[in-house]
Amino acid sequence: DGGITQSPKYLFRKEGQNVTLSCEQNLNHDAMYWYRQDPGQGLRLIYYSQIVNDFQKGDIAEGYSVSREKKESFPLTVTSAQKNPTAFYLCASSMQGMGGYTFGSGTRLTVV
Amino acid sequence: AQSVTQLDSQVPVFEEAPVELRCNYSSSVSVYLFWYVQYPNQGLQLLLKYLSGSTLVKGINGFEAEFNKSQTSFHLRKPSVHISDTAEYFCAVSGTSYDKVIFGPGTSLSVIP
Repeated sequence: DGGITQSPKYLFRKEGQNVTLSCEQNLNHDAMYWYRQDPGQGLRLIYYSQIVNDFQKGDIAEGYSVSREKKESFPLTVTSAQKNPTAFYLCASSMQGMGGYTFGSGTRLTVV
Repeated sequence: AQSVTQLDSQVPVFEEAPVELRCNYSSSVSVYLFWYVQYPNQGLQLLLKYLSGSTLVKGINGFEAEFNKSQTSFHLRKPSVHISDTAEYFCAVSGTSYDKVIFGPGTSLSVIP
C-alpha cells in the first residue's frame, strides 16, 4: 500500500547535535511538508516543497534545514541552532487537485 | 489570508451521546474544507473533506460535517460517540487553486464512560 514513512519513531538528541528526520512517500505526490507539534498545540509549518530541488520556508523555519533531491524524499535536519527542538514532527504530502494532505505517523524528538 | 477557528478547545461528552465540534473559517476565495483526527502519538488521519457538491459530507467512523457558506462554518457531528472517538480533531481549509492547507488549533474530544 502507498503511504508516507517517517523514521525513526523516537529520536533522542544531545544538546549541540544536528539530527536528521527521514520522510519517504511512495504516493507519487508532488508536494511535501514538515510540521512541528507541541503538547496541546496545533500544527506549525516548518518547510514545504512543491517540486524537486525547490522548497520554501514556513512559519518557523529558523534552526531547521531541508532538501528535496528526489520526489519521494524530504528529510528534515534539526540543527543545533534550534533552541527548543523537543517536539513531535509530522511529515505530509499532497498532489495538485487532491485536496488535503496524507500524513506520516510522526517522529518524537527529545533533547537529553 | 485564510484562517480557521475552532471554538472549543476541549469537549467532554458521555458515551453514546451526540457531539458537535465547531469550526469556522475565513477566506476570500473558494475553499476546500477538511476534518482530521489524531490519536495519541500518531499522525493525522483524514475524517472527511468537502471539495464541491453536496454540502453534507459523510466520513469515516460515523462522522459527518455540513458546509455552510453563508455562515462560513464546517461543523463536525456524530450522533452517538464511542470511547474510541477520544482524540484530537483538527479542522482545516485550503484554496481550490493550490494545495497549502491551513489548520485550526484543534479540539480535544474526551468521551466519558
